[in-house]
Amino acid sequence: GENVEQHPSTLSVQEGDSAVIKCTYSDSASNYFPWYKQELGKRPQLIIDIRSNVGEKKDQRIAVTLNKTAKHFSLHITETQPEDSAVYFCAASSDYKLSFGAGTTVTVRA
Amino acid sequence: NAGVTQTPKFRILKIGQSMTLQCTQDMNHNYMYWYRQDPGMGLKLIYYSVGAGITDKGEVPNGYNVSRSTTEDFPLRLELAAPSQTSVYFCASSPRPGTDTQYFGPGTRLTVL
Repeated sequence: GENVEQHPSTLSVQEGDSAVIKCTYSDSASNYFPWYKQELGKRPQLIIDIRSNVGEKKDQRIAVTLNKTAKHFSLHITETQPEDSAVYFCAASSDYKLSFGAGTTVTVRA
Repeated sequence: NAGVTQTPKFRILKIGQSMTLQCTQDMNHNYMYWYRQDPGMGLKLIYYSVGAGITDKGEVPNGYNVSRSTTEDFPLRLELAAPSQTSVYFCASSPRPGTDTQYFGPGTRLTVL
């Protein structure tokens, strides 16, 4: 099955700085890569996703890049704000199922 | 639309007890999923369903059972609860597998003592 690795496990950034989270996947057949944000005690919420026929996608301060050859994808958050503090999960879709990374705890320091 | 709903929100079980976690979606999605999330970890797929009457195992199915008699409902059954099943359980649904968003329910926090 699909194996997704996510780094770093924790990330502390100064407010206004950028945050980058990287994920690798193992199954070259994976074709959909969502990113979820989970606040403490809440459900995961989709923040952005990218499909395998696209290399980059941006939505305001959030962007995702995909390198299919290297089998890795990254989440970029610019101009971080305190409300960006949360756990972020990457995922890869293979054979109708999502496999999740272990998560990155992002803390934005005021 | 209520989206994906789950009951109960919290539950404490004794070792060996059984229970059913309920999940309902009102978006007419064919695909439904059950995940567990252990503290500080990502989500692990327990079971999934591609439509009424069709279910399949995910990554961690042992100790669980599911059924899918209607499009809306996808209950998860725990038989003979064990402390290792202490976790937060999320149900999710999707209109299409693989390339469409999965919408998550609010979760059920289960403790087995």
